[in-house]
Amino acid sequence: EPEVTQTPSHQVTQMGQEVILRCVPISNHLYFYWYRQILGQKVEFLVSFYNNEISEKSEIFDDQFSVERPDGSNFTLKIRSTKLEDSAMYFCASRDEEQPQHFGDGTRLSIL
Amino acid sequence: QKEVEQDPGPLSVPEGAIVSLNCTYSNSAFQYFMWYRQYSRKGPELLMYTYSSGNKEDGRFTAQVDKSSKYISLFIRDSQPSDSATYLCAHGGGRRALTFGSGTRLQVQP
Repeated sequence: EPEVTQTPSHQVTQMGQEVILRCVPISNHLYFYWYRQILGQKVEFLVSFYNNEISEKSEIFDDQFSVERPDGSNFTLKIRSTKLEDSAMYFCASRDEEQPQHFGDGTRLSIL
Repeated sequence: QKEVEQDPGPLSVPEGAIVSLNCTYSNSAFQYFMWYRQYSRKGPELLMYTYSSGNKEDGRFTAQVDKSSKYISLFIRDSQPSDSATYLCAHGGGRRALTFGSGTRLQVQP
C-alpha cells in the first residue's frame, strides 16, 4: 500500500540553526499538509499546500517557517532559525480529492 | 471555535471487551469525521472516516456520528492487545486542515 515517507526520522539541531524536514507524499495525491505534535499534546495543523502554493496556514506558521515542493515528488518544511519550543514531532500528510489525509511516521525534531 | 474534545484516558480493558471511544466537536461547518490510531513514536494511521450521520462498520470497528448532538464515537468489538494505542478523533471539511482531539490512550490487557 502506498505511504507517505518522511526523512530523517530524528533530527537534532542547535538552537538558531536552520532545519529542513523532508516528505515524499503518496504519488497521485494533490494536497499536502504539515502538522506538529509537541510531546503530550494534540496534533496541530501548520500549513496546507495545493497547486504549488499555500492554501491555508495556522498562527503557528510564522515567518520562520516555509514550505516548498522543489520537484514532482518531495515536499519540504524549513524552519529558518530554530527555537527550543520547536522541539516536536512533525508529520507530513497528503490526500487526493474527497479522500482523507494519510500521514507519515514523522520526524522527531530535538532542539538543543 | 474549532475545538474537538476527547477524554484522554487511559482506558484499560480486558481482551475481548467492547471498547467505546467518544469525542464532541463544536464546529458544525466541517463535514468529515475521522478516527486515527497512533502507536508510540508513529504517525496517525487512518482507521475510519465518514461524511454523514449514522454508523459505518469495518470489521471489528464501527464509527458513529450524531451531528445533532455533535458527538462522534468509535466502537471496537472483540478488542485485542494489538489494539493498544492512542485513538485520535478528527474532523475537517474538504481540503481544509484537520482538527484533532487530544487522543484517548487504550490499553487492552491479555
